[in-house]
Amino acid sequence: EADIYQTPRYLVIGTGKKITLECSQTMGHDKMYWYQQDPGMELHLIHYSYGVNSTEKGDLSSESTVSRIRTEHFPLTLESARPSHTSQYLCASSLRRDGANVLTFGAGSRLTVL
Amino acid sequence: QKEVEQDPGPLSVPEGAIVSLNCTYSNSAFQYFMWYRQYSRKGPELLMYTYSSGNKEDGRFTAQVDKSSKYISLFIRDSQPSDSATYLCAMSGQAGTALIFGKGTTLSVSS
Repeated sequence: EADIYQTPRYLVIGTGKKITLECSQTMGHDKMYWYQQDPGMELHLIHYSYGVNSTEKGDLSSESTVSRIRTEHFPLTLESARPSHTSQYLCASSLRRDGANVLTFGAGSRLTVL
Repeated sequence: QKEVEQDPGPLSVPEGAIVSLNCTYSNSAFQYFMWYRQYSRKGPELLMYTYSSGNKEDGRFTAQVDKSSKYISLFIRDSQPSDSATYLCAMSGQAGTALIFGKGTTLSVSS
């Protein structure tokens, strides 16, 4: 059973709209991440946070922004959506286990921009 | 050259077959190796993780790491239709550093 929740699961919107993808986790993890996943491509890290008020950009450039005001909540916002933003967005949090950074993923938010 | 290479498949096998999934990598600093399974319309879930070289077994699943060849494998014994999913390898360097993912291999097990 997932301890990390993403909403909405599916979203179809028009170009220029502002959208926020929600992500919440109940595990108390400090580290949280947003990945972008496209068919046949690697997961790409677009944002991460190591704790409250800490956010960093990942290795894939993204026009989205994130915030981390509470430990359990890590929303992603697109101010003006474009068709190039169409993708699957995966939120994750992590726990150190035997030194490994083990990620727990949400079910994803599939965004389609028309 | 990508840091992690993984054949996307698809790979189709009959029920009961032994499946071998593989990844190669180029960064010799990688020390932590993981396999995630992703069902359709779901997020990836951790299957196994290993540190450095060697084998690790968990039920029908065995993970192998050969650091000298920069090659990791996941073996699935007695494969079941419920194993049909995309399998992603992931790896990282020092403890706590970012995971680098492969593209994933799509596996289909037919009954």
